[in-house]
Amino acid sequence: DAKTTQPTSMDCAEGRAANLPCNHSTISGNEYVYWYRQIHSQGPQYIIHGLKNNETNEMASLIITEDRKSSTLILPHATLRDTAVYYCIARGFGDSSYKLIFGSGTRLLVRP
Amino acid sequence: DAGVTQSPTHLIKTRGQHVTLRCSPISGHKSVSWYQQVLGQGPQFIFQYYEKEERGRGNFPDRFSARQFPNYSSELNVNALLLGDSALYLCASSFTDSNQPQHFGDGTRLSIL
Repeated sequence: DAKTTQPTSMDCAEGRAANLPCNHSTISGNEYVYWYRQIHSQGPQYIIHGLKNNETNEMASLIITEDRKSSTLILPHATLRDTAVYYCIARGFGDSSYKLIFGSGTRLLVRP
Repeated sequence: DAGVTQSPTHLIKTRGQHVTLRCSPISGHKSVSWYQQVLGQGPQFIFQYYEKEERGRGNFPDRFSARQFPNYSSELNVNALLLGDSALYLCASSFTDSNQPQHFGDGTRLSIL
């Protein structure tokens, strides 16, 4: 599975967009990009995933570059409840997709 | 709808003891995965079970074992507990064993004295 690289920490103001980058320069063609977040004392929460097209759901948008070597998770209007550790994961397809390999993630602090 | 439920939420054991952790998946999900999260690190994959069969195993010693029942619930067993086994143990469920988002419970916090 491809290794992902994320900044250790970021902050943004409440109500503004939070843009969380992820580098996955060694990703293979059949690996999906998954995003999870973990709020203190809770289990990881699934946010969104994509292969090569941009994706949007009720929680966030995922922008994947054309060469698929990096992606950005966008929280359009961050709230205090979005303070969490955000994990970007490159997940294999088929037989190698059964596990998620978590890195250290990005600690996002949303300021009032 | 109920999410993934794990029990107990907290547990304290001493070195050498064994422990059984339990997980009930989201209704309709047939796959259960277990992860270990040591303080300050991301979760590490331990096992995945699908349709009662082990589909994947992480780099953990044989002291760790698991099983899945006909109702798709699962147990994680750890024998001969070590201080280093102190961690948050997370269970995740998904519809199938691959290419479906895994949804996590809030874990069992295991402390070894």
